[in-house]
Amino acid sequence: DTAVSQTPKYLVTQMGNDKSIKCEQNLGHDTMYWYKQDSKKFLKIMFSYNNKELIINETVPNRFSPKSPDKAHLNLHINSLELGDSAVYFCASSQDGGGGETQYFGPGTRLLVL
Amino acid sequence: GQNIDQPTEMTATEGAIVQINCTYQTSGFNGLFWYQQHAGEAPTFLSYNVLDGLEEKGRFSSFLSRSKGYSYLLLKELQMKDSASYLCAPEGGTGGFKTIFGAGTRLFVKA
Repeated sequence: DTAVSQTPKYLVTQMGNDKSIKCEQNLGHDTMYWYKQDSKKFLKIMFSYNNKELIINETVPNRFSPKSPDKAHLNLHINSLELGDSAVYFCASSQDGGGGETQYFGPGTRLLVL
Repeated sequence: GQNIDQPTEMTATEGAIVQINCTYQTSGFNGLFWYQQHAGEAPTFLSYNVLDGLEEKGRFSSFLSRSKGYSYLLLKELQMKDSASYLCAPEGGTGGFKTIFGAGTRLFVKA
């Protein structure tokens, strides 16, 4: 059983398009995250949700909109894609967002904007 | 502000010991994680230190000095499969716990 899953694994699209990435966790965790890992390998947090409520919202363009229909799912919608959005996007989850909690990462979605 | 400094790359020989250092500055520091990330894969948890000192877990150990803003990951009896990136990740920030990842140290283990 996959603990944290993401779809799609690869996404190639044109500039200006709108796309969504889906994430699901079956660990029963309350907190989910979206990270962006760029070509320099920095893994930067974008958003964090606890029990469907937004708790961390880093300085991310408002073209990025997370949606959490329930605590097991956190999707990421990106409007008007730009070349600089090309990166690997990782979803992760942890028990309840408290200190010292291990985060479990999904396999990543490799986004290439042409 | 937040700053994490670790070497970009290291090379070591199979069977040897390697130490990966990390210095950090982060507001509201709570503890420090180390994660391992193989090329093309997701990061996976290795260790978490909240108190000063050394935590040993099999071939891997992690050390923390809160006063110095310093941590290291020690890998013993290196194996080829240990070739990966090792991400130093202090936990802190304001308004909720946030894990801040460094760019990682790429470790190459050679025969």
